Amino acid sequence: DTEVTQTPKHLVMGMTNKKSLKCEQHMGHRAMYWYKQKAKKPPELMFVYSYEKLSINESVPSRFSPECPNSSLLNLHLHALQPEDSALYLCASSQDLTVPNEKLFFGSGTQLSVL
Amino acid sequence: AQKITQTQPGMFVQEKEAVTLDCTYDTSDQSYGLFWYKQPSSGEMIFLIYQGSYDEQNATEGRYSLNFQKARKSANLVISASQLGDSAMYFCAMNPNSARQLTFGSGTQLTVLP
Repeated sequence: DTEVTQTPKHLVMGMTNKKSLKCEQHMGHRAMYWYKQKAKKPPELMFVYSYEKLSINESVPSRFSPECPNSSLLNLHLHALQPEDSALYLCASSQDLTVPNEKLFFGSGTQLSVL
Repeated sequence: AQKITQTQPGMFVQEKEAVTLDCTYDTSDQSYGLFWYKQPSSGEMIFLIYQGSYDEQNATEGRYSLNFQKARKSANLVISASQLGDSAMYFCAMNPNSARQLTFGSGTQLTVLP
């Protein structure tokens, strides 16, 4: 199983809503990532978890709150988002942050629209 | 700091022809990995090919090959015998040993013409 599964595939939310994006992998990977991607742009790193602990936070606003309940799951909790937060949110995983030059496996993403 | 440059925002190629997508990079690390990902309109980032900085031979994966020229700091992707399904956005990326995270180029939108 070389899949990273993201749900939902599409999400529309208002600026006062609270929602969560979910990501799951069963490859035994110990590093998991959240990326944000605007149309026709490269992905931008948001968060990195290593062994279920937050390792990197790329100065992301607090209205985005990541959570890693176990080694297979990664969530991104959303609250009081702005229309400019509308984007494709990609989850990825890799074997281990300590292994150099690691390949990332990506999910299909959640297309988020904030109204 | 690391930087990846893809100078071709869009490329067109005739079906069954070969195409080269350009990528140059800049890093002070001696050890790094270079990757190419394909992103169809469905959104998923699909890993295509990997080249390590110490690999002496160019990487190949089926119809994909990576033309690695270390002195020029270039890592061009060559797709042979293009297929209609190859139409997608292609990203070059680098994972230097010091940063342990991928830096992406701006991408090249490839369109394969029938």
